[in-house]
Amino acid sequence: DVKVTQSSRYLVKRTGEKVFLECVQDMDHENMFWYRQDPGLGLRLIYFSYDVKMKEKGDIPEGYSVSREKKERFSLILESASTNQTSMYLCASGQRVRGYTFGSGTRLTVV
Amino acid sequence: QQQVKQSPQSLIVQKGGIPIINCAYENTAFDYFPWYQQFPGKGPALLIAIRPDVSEKKEGRFTISFNKSAKQFSLHIMDSQPGDSATYFCAASRYGGATNKLIFGTGTLLAVQP
Repeated sequence: DVKVTQSSRYLVKRTGEKVFLECVQDMDHENMFWYRQDPGLGLRLIYFSYDVKMKEKGDIPEGYSVSREKKERFSLILESASTNQTSMYLCASGQRVRGYTFGSGTRLTVV
Repeated sequence: QQQVKQSPQSLIVQKGGIPIINCAYENTAFDYFPWYQQFPGKGPALLIAIRPDVSEKKEGRFTISFNKSAKQFSLHIMDSQPGDSATYFCAASRYGGATNKLIFGTGTLLAVQP
C-alpha cells in the first residue's frame, strides 16, 4: 500500500514562529499536495508539486511556502505562524484518476 | 469561489437507511468526479468515482448518480451501517487542468445510528 507519512500528528507553535510540516511518500508519485481542512470549509489546496523543485500555488497560498528537493518529500513552511493558521494540515500524493493517498494529518495549533 | 458545492453539511440516519449526499459543479470542463471517505483521525480515502459519460455507477452499497445537464451528482449509501459513519467529500477535476488537481466540496458528516 502507498504510504504518506506526515512527521507530526500534533504541533503547538507560537505566533511568529517559522513552522515546517514534513511529508514523505513511498510510491514514487510525481504529484504531491498540501491541503488544510477546516470545519465547514472542506479541503482547500494550499500548494502542489508535480516534480522535484516544481511547485504551483493552490487556492490559499498566502502565508505559506513549500519545498520539494527530493521526489519523495514535500515540505510545507509557515513563514511566520499566525493564529488563523490553526488547522488540520493534510498531505497527499497520487493522480486524480488512480486516487490521492492522504496522510493522517497534522493538527497545528498556533497560540 | 467555490467550484463544487456540497450538501448537506451533516446528516443523521438510522441503520438501514439510505443517506444521500449531493454535489453541484459549475465548470463544464470537469470530466472526473470522485468521492472520498474520511474516518476520524485518518486522511480521506478514495471511495468511488464516475465520469460524465455514464449516469450511474455502483460499487457494493455505494452508488453515484450523475446528471450532466443539471451539473449535479450524488452519493447514495444503501443499507447504511454504523461503520459508514464518516465525513464524505465530493470532488471534481478536468483533464490537463493544473496537473491532476482535485477540487473538493466542503464535506458531509454522516452519522448512522444503530
